[in-house]
Amino acid sequence: DADVTQTPRNRITKTGKRIMLECSQTKGHDRMYWYRQDPGLGLRLIYYSFDVKDINKGEISDGYSVSRQAQAKFSLSLESAIPNQTALYFCATGVGVTDTQYFGPGTRLTVL
Amino acid sequence: AQSVTQPDIHITVSEGASLELRCNYSYGATPYLFWYVQSPGQGLQLLLKYFSGDTLVQGIKGFEAEFKRSQSSFNLRKPSVHWSDAAEYFCAVAATDSWGKLQFGAGTQVVVTP
Repeated sequence: DADVTQTPRNRITKTGKRIMLECSQTKGHDRMYWYRQDPGLGLRLIYYSFDVKDINKGEISDGYSVSRQAQAKFSLSLESAIPNQTALYFCATGVGVTDTQYFGPGTRLTVL
Repeated sequence: AQSVTQPDIHITVSEGASLELRCNYSYGATPYLFWYVQSPGQGLQLLLKYFSGDTLVQGIKGFEAEFKRSQSSFNLRKPSVHWSDAAEYFCAVAATDSWGKLQFGAGTQVVVTP
């Protein structure tokens, strides 16, 4: 089984809808991250969490919110989706003093 | 401002030929350095990382990277590419005093021809 899983893997939704993307990990890492990937821009950090009680905004947090339900679960929500949130979303976990990060398979989100 | 640059958006290489992907960074001090690979439809897989010590780092799948402080570079190399190396490659950088701030380059798409 994969160490970092994301659900759903693909989602098509309409403008204004609320969407939740879920991430679960079995690596036992305290740190978790959400990124979005857009062509030509690489990955950009949306939110990150160092433990269940610690949530931090990343580079592009506007329009997104997160919830760390447990050490192993970190969800990303789009309260009211808009077309420019169409992207590939990745969850990652981090470990060690160098914060080496391990990525899930991604969720492809399309907002019409 | 801190930045990570991958100058080559797209590289085409013949199977069996050597490959070098460039990565340059602009940070106040030597950061932690990473290379990731993203195969089509897949997540990102860590190829290798540099923290300190020997400037030539060995990774998985036959890849290596060399850190050059004077050039602020961390270039990825493979002596002989296989068709399965066709993917997108990302250089990533993190300041040593700033957890959670992994900054990615825009990526280099590698195409392998027969």
